[in-house]
Amino acid sequence: EAGVAQSPRYKIIEKRQSVAFWCNPISGHATLYWYQQILGQGPKLLIQFQNNGVVDDSQLPKDRFSAERLKGVDSTLKIQPAKLEDSAVYLCASSFGGVSSYEQYFGPGTRLTVT
Amino acid sequence: GENVEQHPSTLSVQEGDSAVIKCTYSDSASNYFPWYKQELGKRPQLIIDIRSNVGEKKDQRIAVTLNKTAKHFSLHITETQPEDSAVYFCAASRGTYNNNDMRFGAGTRLTVKP
Repeated sequence: EAGVAQSPRYKIIEKRQSVAFWCNPISGHATLYWYQQILGQGPKLLIQFQNNGVVDDSQLPKDRFSAERLKGVDSTLKIQPAKLEDSAVYLCASSFGGVSSYEQYFGPGTRLTVT
Repeated sequence: GENVEQHPSTLSVQEGDSAVIKCTYSDSASNYFPWYKQELGKRPQLIIDIRSNVGEKKDQRIAVTLNKTAKHFSLHITETQPEDSAVYFCAASRGTYNNNDMRFGAGTRLTVKP
């Protein structure tokens, strides 16, 4: 089966600019996650969607980060305006979302560098 | 919220030796504990997971043990090979139908010397 797709793979922007990332989950996966992975650290959950609804966004810096999954499939994550500390890899993951189906599949990530 | 601590941060072993990585968690409601392997510049990949209704699970050279009372779980890799070299992350979540919020440990960089 096709995996989780993300684009772009790399992005370099200046601080205070805006950026958007796109994720296409595995077909049929109801749950979609966005993670931030700073170099040398574990992934940190930013937001979790169940279909097109937000389940958990407690760790999303809402003053500058936003995410949507309007039709319950693709998702976009936006940062506006970016700060230097936002430099990280942004990982998208999806899972089937059914009972007893917990495994999350990760995309290749988008490496963001803020200068 | 959940807090996952992972030790050690780096681990170096000789090829053929065993490697053990340990994690503790804080949320007693967590019931799903996966381990991910991440090679340099690549995505995290699930290598083994365990749910709270079992104490141990094994898959060839890797095994995971869980102690729910003490709230800790461990990854064991036997007969290590150079290709096992990577960063390993533990994670914990409540694993409910609509809330599989995963909290990751900080990672262990495993180096297997040939």
